[in-house]
Amino acid sequence: KAGVTQTPRYLIKTRGQQVTLSCSPISGHRSVSWYQQTPGQGLQFLFEYFSETQRNKGNFPGRFSGRQFSNSRSEMNVSTLELGDSALYLCASSLVGSGSGTDTQYFGPGTRLTVL
Amino acid sequence: EDQVTQSPEALRLQEGESSSLNCSYTVSGLRGLFWYRQDPGKGPEFLFTLYSAGEEKEKERLKATLTKKESFLHITAPKPEDSATYLCAVQAFHSGGGADGLTFGKGTHLIIQP
Repeated sequence: KAGVTQTPRYLIKTRGQQVTLSCSPISGHRSVSWYQQTPGQGLQFLFEYFSETQRNKGNFPGRFSGRQFSNSRSEMNVSTLELGDSALYLCASSLVGSGSGTDTQYFGPGTRLTVL
Repeated sequence: EDQVTQSPEALRLQEGESSSLNCSYTVSGLRGLFWYRQDPGKGPEFLFTLYSAGEEKEKERLKATLTKKESFLHITAPKPEDSATYLCAVQAFHSGGGADGLTFGKGTHLIIQP
């Protein structure tokens, strides 16, 4: 079974621009979570989507948003990029997510975003 | 606020030299504690989930244990291919039902020298 895939793998943007990252979960998984990883802060939870609805949200500004499609694929968008948004953005999928039981999250390889 | 602290930050061992990594946590209501392994340039790879104090799980040279305040990842007779960053994460019950996103520690960077 194929794992979580993320595209693109690398991105370079300039301050003020916006960016969209894509995530395809493991087949059959309906929950998708997004995380930001930086050397200083480590891995931080952004948000979780299940059945096209945002179910949980971390402590990030409104410039960070996401959505999920009917096939469970997800996108996250960052508007008005800042230098501090440079990070590895990781997507994780699980069967049902936080709704019932404790569900293992499986991570993709990440998208490395560099903001100049 | 949920918190996870991992120690040591870095650990260098000789091949075959066993050791333990620590993960201390504070969480309002623990739903699960997770261990992941992360290699440079890759996403975290799932290792174990622990749900309640006293639980233990093993996989090859790794064994994870859980108490009410901390978890240990024991590495027995490690090999160079065990070199990686090991991440601990907790998931708490959500106030509105369900569970929160994972809260991660900063990780332990483990190097196994041949």
